[in-house]
Amino acid sequence: QKEVEQNSGPLSVPEGAIASLNCTYSDRGSQSFFWYRQYSGKSPELIMFIYSNGDKEDGRFTAQLNKASQYVSLLIRDSQPSDSATYLCAVKNSGYSTLTFGKGTMLLVSP
Amino acid sequence: SAVISQKPSRDICQRGTSLTIQCQVDSQVTMMFWYRQQPGQSLTLIATANQGSEATYESGFVIDKFPISRPNLTFSTLTVSNMSPEDSSIYLCSALSWTGATGELFFGEGSRLTVL
Repeated sequence: QKEVEQNSGPLSVPEGAIASLNCTYSDRGSQSFFWYRQYSGKSPELIMFIYSNGDKEDGRFTAQLNKASQYVSLLIRDSQPSDSATYLCAVKNSGYSTLTFGKGTMLLVSP
Repeated sequence: SAVISQKPSRDICQRGTSLTIQCQVDSQVTMMFWYRQQPGQSLTLIATANQGSEATYESGFVIDKFPISRPNLTFSTLTVSNMSPEDSSIYLCSALSWTGATGELFFGEGSRLTVL
């Protein structure tokens, strides 16, 4: 059974701070990793993907991948109240085109 | 990216009835999937909708309960059959869109079903 683990939160940070969201996965053969943002009552929205070890930056978002440790993280710099949402980590299953999702971490950014 | 339209967006259904959800993608995509998201939970893959052939179901999901059609590369339907209150959930259509070597999964807005 392939698993993707995330802390459910909520993770509370003040506006302007860095939010750090973490994810571990069990499928050692996985090569592709995704972060989705889901606002309450809305469908998931892709915000980042990463394939290679190291960091990938896109605006205020940085994804970090360590395949040896089977660990993916998402950093949000200068957090805004509008970043308050549930962040879902998703891992592409090795040998398939399907994704396994974590249960998500709720982020709350207070003004 | 792919734009995905689903309907109905929500419905209230009676126990024992069936409901079909439609999903339309604005461009041809190789792969389409159906997910379920129960209240407060993450997304669970129901099946991969295969164009012109039977869907590939994940463990715990069967064709008799969740028949799926995909007649072409832009359209799919999911039927939730003989519904019970446990089927109350959000059902999400998704499509895999490729940009070069990068495959990204996009979601429709979801269909929120409440079974009484």
